[in-house]
Amino acid sequence: DAKTTQPNSMESNEEEPVHLPCNHSTISGTDYIHWYRQLPSQGPEYVIHGLTSNVNNRMASLAIAEDRKSSTLILHRATLRDAAVYYCMGFGTDKLIFGTGTRLQVFP
Amino acid sequence: DVKVTQSSRYLVKRTGEKVFLECVQDMDHENMFWYRQDPGLGLRLIYFSYDVKMKEKGDIPEGYSVSREKKERFSLILESASTNQTSMYLCASRSWGVMNTEAFFGQGTRLTVV
Repeated sequence: DAKTTQPNSMESNEEEPVHLPCNHSTISGTDYIHWYRQLPSQGPEYVIHGLTSNVNNRMASLAIAEDRKSSTLILHRATLRDAAVYYCMGFGTDKLIFGTGTRLQVFP
Repeated sequence: DVKVTQSSRYLVKRTGEKVFLECVQDMDHENMFWYRQDPGLGLRLIYFSYDVKMKEKGDIPEGYSVSREKKERFSLILESASTNQTSMYLCASRSWGVMNTEAFFGQGTRLTVV
């Protein structure tokens, strides 16, 4: 499974876009890139995943670099409810290995 | 509504006690996981199971064992609880062998060992 590197924390103001980076330079060609987030006092929840192409869903967008060694989770308009720890993972086996994630603070 | 249910939200146990943390999923998932979460350390994988009676060690299995007698239930066992096992424990489940499916997590059990 790919080792991932994320900034420890990031800040944003409400209604602004947020770009959360993840480096996964050891990723293999068949590893999917997954993002999860953990709201305070809750278990992690799925956000989005992709393999090679950029992906959009109702929660976020995922931009994957052409060499697949990094990706960026994009929240188009941050809300106070988006304050959470965001984890990226690259995996090609059944194990789910989390890094330490990025704590996102959103200010009104 | 899909669900992963952990038997207790909060638990207080004494040092040396045998502790069972139970997790049940209703999605017929093959894979189930146990993590512990500590401040500054993120989620660390203790054990995972890919089928009934099958298990594999994660990154920090010392002091823990697991049991999976039925597909829907995965138990984490602390044979003799110690204060350094005070932590948040999270259970998850996921379909086997399909890398583009999501994992589902329980709400967590905050265990305090005194």
